[in-house]
Amino acid sequence: GAVVSQHPSRVICKSGTSVKIECRSLDFQATTMFWYRQFPKQSLMLMATSNEGSKATYEQGVEKDKFLINHASLTLSTLTVTSAHPEDSSFYICSARDGAYRLFFGSGTQLSVL
Amino acid sequence: DQQVKQNSPSLSVQEGRISILNCDYTNSMFDYFLWYKKYPAEGPTFLISISSIKDKNEDGRFTVFLNKSAKHLSLHIVPSQPGDSAVYFCAANGGSGTSYGKLTFGQGTILTVHP
Repeated sequence: GAVVSQHPSRVICKSGTSVKIECRSLDFQATTMFWYRQFPKQSLMLMATSNEGSKATYEQGVEKDKFLINHASLTLSTLTVTSAHPEDSSFYICSARDGAYRLFFGSGTQLSVL
Repeated sequence: DQQVKQNSPSLSVQEGRISILNCDYTNSMFDYFLWYKKYPAEGPTFLISISSIKDKNEDGRFTVFLNKSAKHLSLHIVPSQPGDSAVYFCAANGGSGTSYGKLTFGQGTILTVHP
């Protein structure tokens, strides 16, 4: 079956640094990917829609300058958390949509900002 | 504004019995609903889905029922197995066409199946 690889699975960083998370579709092309965030014991919240070759579409309340999304190819989307702060600590998950409109999720990235 | 709600934070069931997980939604524009199983620090695993034009979809031990008039759906697992223990999320698709896949998730229900 289709696989979405998300890397890294876990990252710990100091406050003020930037962290890049990669989401790759391994065996299909994904013109559209989605980024979610999940705080402990809460729901997954959609942050943004990543479109290959164009700007990402952000959900209300999500700072686009804080969470930079780049979808440079049909198999790769990246989320960069810029100048991370402790309140950005969360579980970040991507999903990718294939040509048949099926959705596949990555395994997630646990970000801890000290 | 919680558009997808799972009002039961947890459910405990005996092995072999039926597990019923419920989900309510408020947005009548949702056209597709999905159920996912999730473990902590892992991505969601797709279980089963249903289009808004149907009222039932079955796949092995999993059946999803949709009541559009009540804006309610439920996931039935029968028979329940200890390996089914996980957090179950209901999700609704709010995007159409090229925006399909913008999911709104419920809060999740922790299912525990006892041997």
